[in-house]
Amino acid sequence: NAGVTQTPKFQVLKTGQSMTLQCAQDMNHEYMSWYRQDPGMGLRLIHYSVGAGITDQGEVPNGYNVSRSTTEDFPLRLLSAAPSQTSVYFCASSYSHTLTGDTEAFFGQGTRLTVV
Amino acid sequence: ILNVEQSPQSLHVQEGDSTNFTCSFPSSNFYALHWYRWETAKSPEALFVMTLNGDEKKKGRISATLNTKEGYSYLYIKGSQPEDSATYLCAFINPNAGNMLTFGGGTRLMVKP
Repeated sequence: NAGVTQTPKFQVLKTGQSMTLQCAQDMNHEYMSWYRQDPGMGLRLIHYSVGAGITDQGEVPNGYNVSRSTTEDFPLRLLSAAPSQTSVYFCASSYSHTLTGDTEAFFGQGTRLTVV
Repeated sequence: ILNVEQSPQSLHVQEGDSTNFTCSFPSSNFYALHWYRWETAKSPEALFVMTLNGDEKKKGRISATLNTKEGYSYLYIKGSQPEDSATYLCAFINPNAGNMLTFGGGTRLMVKP
């Protein structure tokens, strides 16, 4: 049982390049989400999904794209990287927070992205 | 906009000190309040998920209380150890964000030996 697997761990991009951060979970969780973490700020929600085929925008969605074709995978795409997207990105998964009792979120290892 | 506020932002204590920090969250449409511990270069890991007003949870030297009517939770660490050094995050289930977690800014705890 691997939990949440997130790749890559580190990435440097040039402004304007695109890339995909991969996230996979093997716990059959319905909920998956992407957060970014910047100095002095908590985790901010970028996009989320409550099941295969369903995605929605979080607090800071601009410049990012997601899809959820399977329960297991939830990739995050940077369409045209900008220096403002330099951050640490975390993928998370869980069972439904409102239907099930103690539904903690499980996080991937994080991706440290630098856009130059 | 529904926000979570944590205080203090950072805290330096000596080994053996007991400490506590605060999480304030919107009290309406409450489902649950989560606490996570986040060590540098690692992923956040869940400490507690609290759902009931007046609930108190404990894990070793760490405990948490919850007041859903006034919208706050306290995290207590008894006899801090250097290995307790981490950022402690709280989060609530946000009905305005698909019932996903909205996090506070965290409290960074540093315990000096």
